[in-house]
Amino acid sequence: EIVLTQSPATLSLSPGQRATLSCRASESIHTYLHWYQQKPGQAPRLLIYDASNRATGIPARFSGSGSGTDFTLTISNLEPEDFAVYYCQDRSRSFGQGTRLDIK
Amino acid sequence: QVQLEQSGGEVKKPGASVKVSCKTSGYTFTTSNINWVRQAPGQGLEWLGWISADNGDTKFAEKFQGRLTLTTDTSTSTAYMELRGLTSDDTALYYCARDKPYRTTRWMSDYWGQGTQVTVSS
Repeated sequence: EIVLTQSPATLSLSPGQRATLSCRASESIHTYLHWYQQKPGQAPRLLIYDASNRATGIPARFSGSGSGTDFTLTISNLEPEDFAVYYCQDRSRSFGQGTRLDIK
Repeated sequence: QVQLEQSGGEVKKPGASVKVSCKTSGYTFTTSNINWVRQAPGQGLEWLGWISADNGDTKFAEKFQGRLTLTTDTSTSTAYMELRGLTSDDTALYYCARDKPYRTTRWMSDYWGQGTQVTVSS
């Protein structure tokens, strides 16, 4: 069973800053890694699929990178609406434990 | 537009079963799987299983094997999730999501239902 480990658990930043979120897989998953954003009271929203492809309607400030076991979600120039919880998911459909992005 | 509409909240007693529906529209039902995910209060996302709307194939997370049933009704483009032997640990918000193929053997959950609250309490 593949285990996804996200870090940090919480990230506190200010609007306009750059956020870097990490997801590490316990074994190689090639590029089969997705990123989701979840805001309070809302269903998750697909941001990035297959490690680096933005989903429909996702702003260009969101970008993904990585392959094998190490993946990164980068949010450049944080907007107030970006403060949320972010999850990664692999081919087995399992999720990482999430990273909470808080306003500093 | 693609939509997934879930049934309303449920309150169940320990040991009971719950069945949640997920009615889809806006796309050809049989071209995607349906994923089921839950979220306990204040916790992260937990994957339960998926079902192919094309041929009914299923795959479950190991911890739900034996007490989870996933079905579909292609005539109404609706998917169903039934969980048996409920305990308080099953209290959660249950989501369905369209699991769309983007390569021959790769899938992504691009549209989600609004969630169904299931509360297990004596």
